[in-house]
Amino acid sequence: GAGVSQSPSNKVTEKGKDVELRCDPISGHTALYWYRQSLGQGLEFLIYFQGNSAPDKSGLPSDRFSAERTGGSVSTLTIQRTQQEDSAVYLCASSLTRIGDTQYFGPGTRLTVL
Amino acid sequence: AQSVTQLGSHVSVSEGALVLLRCNYSSSVPPYLFWYVQYPNQGLQLLLKYTSAATLVKGINGFEAEFKKSETSFHLTKPSAHMSDAAEYFCAVSDLSGNTPLVFGKGTRLSVIA
Repeated sequence: GAGVSQSPSNKVTEKGKDVELRCDPISGHTALYWYRQSLGQGLEFLIYFQGNSAPDKSGLPSDRFSAERTGGSVSTLTIQRTQQEDSAVYLCASSLTRIGDTQYFGPGTRLTVL
Repeated sequence: AQSVTQLGSHVSVSEGALVLLRCNYSSSVPPYLFWYVQYPNQGLQLLLKYTSAATLVKGINGFEAEFKKSETSFHLTKPSAHMSDAAEYFCAVSDLSGNTPLVFGKGTRLSVIA
């Protein structure tokens, strides 16, 4: 079956612009996660959804970052007023039920803020 | 709070040599432990997972890892490296409550020399 997909695969934007990153999880997976991967920094947890609600938003770096999930499926990560330090690869993952389950990752969106 | 330490940000081995990637975790109770692999420009792929069923866990592509509670370690090994094993490897830990996100190590980049 289809895996986790993300779009766009690459995004170049100017400082101060808003961007939206999309994630389509594996069908039937109720848990969805967003991570940020910066060069040499490993994976930084951003936010987790169980269904459409986000029990854990602790990783969002600032109030410029927000995310939503609709219909228990697609999720959008929005970064407002982008800064150069937002440049990174944004990874989405999904798991069948709960947060401790095996996570399946998408290919990521590479964001470059000029 | 849980944490994961991967010793060595970069490991280089010759083709055919033993691969050993180190991972130590910090947790008050035995957790779930994972190894993921990331090939260039791709998302993370699960190699193997420890869930307390057996201390020696076999994964894909000939990799295996042994859970050692006394050493709080979960090192990844492969008897004979192949050129296609060159990638970034991440160790991750999750607690058994299922209520906290995976905590990832910073990753180890494996290079395989012909």
